[in-house]
Amino acid sequence: GESVGLHLPTLSVQEGDNSIINCAYSNSASDYFIWYKQESGKGPQFIIDIRSNMDKRQGQRVTVLLNKTVKHLSLQIAATQPGDSAVYFCALTEDSNYQLIWGAGTKLIIKP
Amino acid sequence: IAGITQAPTSQILAAGRRMTLRCTQDMRHNAMYWYRQDLGLGLRLIHYSNTAGTTGKGEVPDGYSVSRANTDDFPLTLASAVPSQTSVYFCASSDGWGQPQHFGDGTRLSIL
Repeated sequence: GESVGLHLPTLSVQEGDNSIINCAYSNSASDYFIWYKQESGKGPQFIIDIRSNMDKRQGQRVTVLLNKTVKHLSLQIAATQPGDSAVYFCALTEDSNYQLIWGAGTKLIIKP
Repeated sequence: IAGITQAPTSQILAAGRRMTLRCTQDMRHNAMYWYRQDLGLGLRLIHYSNTAGTTGKGEVPDGYSVSRANTDDFPLTLASAVPSQTSVYFCASSDGWGQPQHFGDGTRLSIL
């Protein structure tokens, strides 16, 4: 089956610096990728998504990069702010039954 | 504000009791999902429904049942609660494949 993993369980970043959160996947048939942010006591919140026919997509202060050759996904957050402190999850689908396969999450800590 | 409503927000339950977690969405999404999230871990899919009248099993369905009588409601039932079902339960919905899932704020369930 598919597996989704994260390189670092915790990432500490200085306020104002850029953050990069990475995610690896194993199935080359994966076709839809999504990043979520989860704050303490809240449900996951959609950040940005990307389809397999793209390799880059930008939102407000966030960029998702997809490298299908090495099966790697990253989330870049520009000018990290205290409000970015959360756990970030990557997830993907590989067929049309709507199910998401989730990574374990990376906790982003912002240092003042 | 449109979204997912879950009830109750938290519950302490004696082992062996029956419990139904409620989930309602007002976005008219076709697909709905139930996840559990254990401390420090990612989300695991319990059951899902691609459309009203249909349901399917996720990664960890044992001990849980669901129904989807209409588009808006997707209750999750624990027929006879056990301590290993202590978790945070999230309900989500999406408009279909390749679309983000939107989450409620969860039900924190403790089985004693």
